[in-house]
Amino acid sequence: DFVMTQSPDSLAVSLGERAAINCKSSQSILYSFNNKNHLAWYQQKPGQPPKLLIYWASTRESGVPDRFSGSGSGTDFTLTISTLQAEDVAVYYCQQYYSTPYTFGQGTKLEIK
Amino acid sequence: QVQLRQSGPGLVKPSQTLSLTCAISGDSVSRNSVAWIWIRQSPSRGLEWLGRTYYTSKWYNDYAESVKSRIVINPDTSKNQFSLQLNSVTPEDTAIYYCARASPALGIWGQGTMVTVSS
Repeated sequence: DFVMTQSPDSLAVSLGERAAINCKSSQSILYSFNNKNHLAWYQQKPGQPPKLLIYWASTRESGVPDRFSGSGSGTDFTLTISTLQAEDVAVYYCQQYYSTPYTFGQGTKLEIK
Repeated sequence: QVQLRQSGPGLVKPSQTLSLTCAISGDSVSRNSVAWIWIRQSPSRGLEWLGRTYYTSKWYNDYAESVKSRIVINPDTSKNQFSLQLNSVTPEDTAIYYCARASPALGIWGQGTMVTVSS
């Protein structure tokens, strides 16, 4: 199975500041057939299912604010929130959909400093 | 607007079968290019992908090795839904269970069902 490892496990950032979460895959998830990285980012708030933010590593889902961006390729990826808002407090997960089982990272808890 | 609505019991006895259903509105379980997924979440295992069913000229299923001997995911085209059966459950199967649509990322999720395995 592909192992997805996120860092850090938790993060405290001041309102209006930048937050960055990293995700590393145990194998490349860049698919040569379509030249796309099969990686998604999700946001989960208490009592809710995860919400898709980013897919293909850098494509924002419809309706997601543009302060959220994704980058990286191959095995190393980053989710960046450019200016942290109070409503961004949540747990964030990366997920690979290159090979079944489509594994998730362990999650990064984002809080306000 | 695509919605997934889960149903099923929240309490299952050890050694029995966990059964959940995910009803689809606004899409078709038979549509090509999407897959219908079951995932669970627990403090000990995190988010765990359990398996999927999808239609591409015929029906296919993939299951996680961790549950492969105990799991069945079935589509029901007459009711436009899909189901999860997990046999021989133990307390370790206690979790929140989610259904989701993969296209291919998981853009649509059910509301979640907390399932407790206890006598």
